[in-house]
Amino acid sequence: GAVVSQHPSRVICKSGTSVKIECRSLDFQATTMFWYRQFPKQSLMLMATSNEGSKATYEQGVEKDKFLINHASLTLSTLTVTSAHPEDSSFYICSARVSRDTEAFFGQGTRLTVV
Amino acid sequence: DQQVKQNSPSLSVQEGRISILNCDYTNSMFDYFLWYKKYPAEGPTFLISISSIKDKNEDGRFTVFLNKSAKHLSLHIVPSQPGDSAVYFCAASSPRGGSNYKLTFGKGTLLTVNP
Repeated sequence: GAVVSQHPSRVICKSGTSVKIECRSLDFQATTMFWYRQFPKQSLMLMATSNEGSKATYEQGVEKDKFLINHASLTLSTLTVTSAHPEDSSFYICSARVSRDTEAFFGQGTRLTVV
Repeated sequence: DQQVKQNSPSLSVQEGRISILNCDYTNSMFDYFLWYKKYPAEGPTFLISISSIKDKNEDGRFTVFLNKSAKHLSLHIVPSQPGDSAVYFCAASSPRGGSNYKLTFGKGTLLTVNP
């Protein structure tokens, strides 16, 4: 099946710095990618929908200036956590879907720890 | 308002027996449903899906049943194996129209299969 690669798998950063997470579709073109966040023992929370060549659509309550999303090509979307704080520590996962009648493919996830 | 609900946070079964995971939804516009399996610190892995035009889909040990009138679906795993122990997420595809393929997830059910 299709593969979505997410990098890095783990990152530790200092408070106030920014961190970039990459999500690549390796064998298909993804006009739309999704970014999720998962808190411990909780569900996947959709943060934003990333559209190639246009601005991302953010879910209610997600700060777009805090979580910058760029979808510069059909195979790459990036999420940048700006001015990170300890409360941003979480597990971030991207996914891509070819069409609305097929499954979504997920990246491996990124464990972000802000110290 | 949670549109996809998994009311059982956990389920424990014996190896070889059947595991039944349940999911309810409230949005009658959902027309595509998926089950994902997730291990800690990994991205979800697609298991099986079902379109609203069907009431059953089977793939090996996994069968998904859909009851549209009750807005209920279930995942049956038989026989259950210790390697099936993971969190299982139910997801539904967003309403028809446009290029928005986002999925709405339930909170997950932790399945433990005991040897």
